[in-house]
Amino acid sequence: EIVLTQSPATLSLSPGERATLSCRASQSVSNYLAWYQQKPGQAPRLLIYDASNRATGIPARFSGSGSGTDFTLTISSLEPEDFAVYYCQQRSNLWTFGQGTKVEIK
Amino acid sequence: QITLKESGPTLVKPTQTLTLTCTFSGFSLSTGGVGVGWIRQPPGKALEWLALIFWDDDKRYSPSLKSRLTITKDTSKNQVVLSMTNMDPVDTATYYCAHRQGAGDYDYWGQGTLVTVSS
Repeated sequence: EIVLTQSPATLSLSPGERATLSCRASQSVSNYLAWYQQKPGQAPRLLIYDASNRATGIPARFSGSGSGTDFTLTISSLEPEDFAVYYCQQRSNLWTFGQGTKVEIK
Repeated sequence: QITLKESGPTLVKPTQTLTLTCTFSGFSLSTGGVGVGWIRQPPGKALEWLALIFWDDDKRYSPSLKSRLTITKDTSKNQVVLSMTNMDPVDTATYYCAHRQGAGDYDYWGQGTLVTVSS
């Protein structure tokens, strides 16, 4: 089973700041890496697929990069609605999720 | 417009079998490339992928839960059913069904249904 490790567990930032979230895979997943956003009481929302492709309707401030085992989700300038939990997920070998990074208001 | 909705019991007793139904609209599970998966989330914890069924009836299961899971589809009813045997309190979670897009990730999700396992 491919294990995804996200860091940091919590990121405390202010609106307007840049957020950088990391996801590391226990073995190469090529570019088969997605990112989801989840707000309290809601289902996850797909943000990025295949490491760097924004899903339909996702604002340009969200970007993804990486390949192999190291991936990054960047939010260029945090909006109030971006404070949430973010999960990475691989589909190289079945599907697994990371443990999440919470982006909270500083 | 793609929508999915989970239904089933909110409370099950330990050792019982849980059966959840995902009823969807806006796509057909007979269309090539399409899949419907199940993912769960214990309260306050991370997402855990459980199972997926493809348009051609191919199935995939989480290795750690494979012996307890069965996923089936009824294309005519636009439904996918997940069964999980021998339920335990640690299986208490919100269970989501989701549409697998062509690229392989989950682009549409149901609202989720909270299942509590308790005697």
